[in-house]
Amino acid sequence: QKEVEQNSGPLSVPEGAIASLNCTYSDRVSQSFFWYRQYSGKSPELIMSIYSNGDKEDGRFTAQLNKASQYVSLLIRDSQPSDSATYLCAATSGDSSYKLIFGSGTRLLVRP
Amino acid sequence: SAVISQKPSRDICQRGTSLTIQCQVDSQVTMMFWYRQQPGQSLTLIATANQGSEATYESGFVIDKFPISRPNLTFSTLTVSNMSPEDSSIYLCSVVGGETEAFFGQGTRLTVV
Repeated sequence: QKEVEQNSGPLSVPEGAIASLNCTYSDRVSQSFFWYRQYSGKSPELIMSIYSNGDKEDGRFTAQLNKASQYVSLLIRDSQPSDSATYLCAATSGDSSYKLIFGSGTRLLVRP
Repeated sequence: SAVISQKPSRDICQRGTSLTIQCQVDSQVTMMFWYRQQPGQSLTLIATANQGSEATYESGFVIDKFPISRPNLTFSTLTVSNMSPEDSSIYLCSVVGGETEAFFGQGTRLTVV
């Protein structure tokens, strides 16, 4: 099992819908999790961090962490075409709280 | 978050040559990292740039191929040595701020021909 796994997509949703992005992780990662957005040709941009079980909301974004089931999700409400990008899930490495292990990313397409 | 400047933003290099990428941060940071993103792939950590000591490399990456300097807490360089087409990637500098949140420079897109 990879340390951080994501479905590569693409995930296609209509404008205004909720986009749900999922990520699972193994025991080899630590307990800090991050969602990055990466537009084509650009560097990753941090959207959300989450460290404890439950939900964390920031504007249209909600991150969810379930440590018992070892998954992290990102919900994007009222999706906009400008949200179309690749979303990377990352976790801190089990041997360092600063090194990140990235999933392969999920490509999101928001249809106008 | 810190402002991270990387240069060059892109380059096309001949195989067998070397390229040095610079990363400048607008504030002192303890933790600085170099990542690679191969075409269509996610990010892989190359090494941790340690100030005043040798970099710490991840499995699969060696100092002879990717020498790193970190002369102070705001600057680091990554050199890609003896390049081959397989080194064509985006190279990203990253610093840690806040709790453990990592921020990235704009990246260097390298093409080796």
